[in-house]
Amino acid sequence: EVQLLESGGGLVQPGGSLRLSCTASGFTFGSHAMSWVRQAPGKGLEWVSGISTRGGSTFYADSVKGRFTISRDNSKYTLNLQMNSLRAEDTAVYYCAREVVGGDFTDYCDHWGQGALVTVSS
Amino acid sequence: SYELTQPPSVSVSPGQTARITCSGDALPSKYAYWYQQKSGQAPVLVIYEDNKRPSGIPERLSGSSSGTMATLTISGAQVEDEADYYCYSTDSSGNDRVFGGGTKLTVL
Repeated sequence: EVQLLESGGGLVQPGGSLRLSCTASGFTFGSHAMSWVRQAPGKGLEWVSGISTRGGSTFYADSVKGRFTISRDNSKYTLNLQMNSLRAEDTAVYYCAREVVGGDFTDYCDHWGQGALVTVSS
Repeated sequence: SYELTQPPSVSVSPGQTARITCSGDALPSKYAYWYQQKSGQAPVLVIYEDNKRPSGIPERLSGSSSGTMATLTISGAQVEDEADYYCYSTDSSGNDRVFGGGTKLTVL
């Protein structure tokens, strides 16, 4: 059974930093690209960042580019998201998600963790 | 940036058919994917590649796509189908990854 467990969420002041982690199990972690998707309170889903199987390619939404850094450690089955210069609008539940490649070479998420709440407030 | 447009809400009575639409300019060349999110829970993939169901998803949920519109159909909707539904796809280059704004399905 695929399992994804996020950790590291919490309360941080504007301008501060936070590091989220996601521990995977139940599948060969290094065979899948991974993503972070967030959901602000009462709002919809927003794709935030993605990383290729070996970590050589990383992708970011314009809203977080230059502030967030995604990384992975395949030996530890762990995905990370380093979030710097946090803003109030970054307040959200952050989901870790496993990616698969669709028939038209579209990457999509087929399994999601339960999420970690990040609150940016003074 | 690329956008997918969904109606904010759809309401049906139990046993009726619910249809949730998702429109986007790149849908003629890109697959649509659908996620179900029940209150307080993580999203669950219910349809991939326009019309395929992952294992464990009830047959009453189906997907279709024509032109710039994809549709999630719930035949014989049940109370347990009440949830927010999100479509997902990319622009024609595959670089802009987008969720629709979400549709709240009410079954009562």
